[in-house]
Amino acid sequence: EPEVTQTPSHQVTQMGQEVILRCVPISNHLYFYWYRQILGQKVEFLVSFYNNEISEKSEIFDDQFSVERPDGSNFTLKIRSTKLEDSAMYFCASYDRATNEKLFFGSGTQLSVL
Amino acid sequence: EDQVTQSPEALRLQEGESSSLNCSYTVSGLRGLFWYRQDPGKGPEFLFTLYSAGEEKEKERLKATLTKKESFLHITAPKPEDSATYLCAVQAGYGQNFVFGPGTRLSVLP
Repeated sequence: EPEVTQTPSHQVTQMGQEVILRCVPISNHLYFYWYRQILGQKVEFLVSFYNNEISEKSEIFDDQFSVERPDGSNFTLKIRSTKLEDSAMYFCASYDRATNEKLFFGSGTQLSVL
Repeated sequence: EDQVTQSPEALRLQEGESSSLNCSYTVSGLRGLFWYRQDPGKGPEFLFTLYSAGEEKEKERLKATLTKKESFLHITAPKPEDSATYLCAVQAGYGQNFVFGPGTRLSVLP
């Protein structure tokens, strides 16, 4: 089965530093997402991306966050100046709306902000 | 605002003891209801999509059903390997977002 690939699997950073989380969505998918999950809490939507632009974003996705699809395969989430409360598991997902069947998730990047 | 709740929060079953998990939703214009399984430290793994009230889907020991207000995930004769958190999510209206519930943490004891 096709996979969404995320790197790195773990990222430790100091508060105030910039981090970039990377994802390779499934190749024929057109909708891309970032979700996060704070330990013990629910999966929260951050942003969706379609046709090279943000299609929807949540209140969590403030000016410190940005997304980019720099080439035909990668999809990145940048946090400009990390805060302690950004510590969470970040999941990338992709979706083929034509089949409307399922959102495929990557295995996540565990971000720890110290 | 679209809302998804799940109950119970946690469930302990003996191996072979069947039960059901509930997902209740309040949305405008449901396009799909999704069940996922999540193991600790992993991404959610797709189980089922349901589109309309009355629809049912089955996979091994799991069966998902949908009404206008809620969905049930029935687990028949569970095994320890079914232990995981089960997540429900909805997609509604014209949005691209999938809204997730808090999950039910299932433990199946041998």
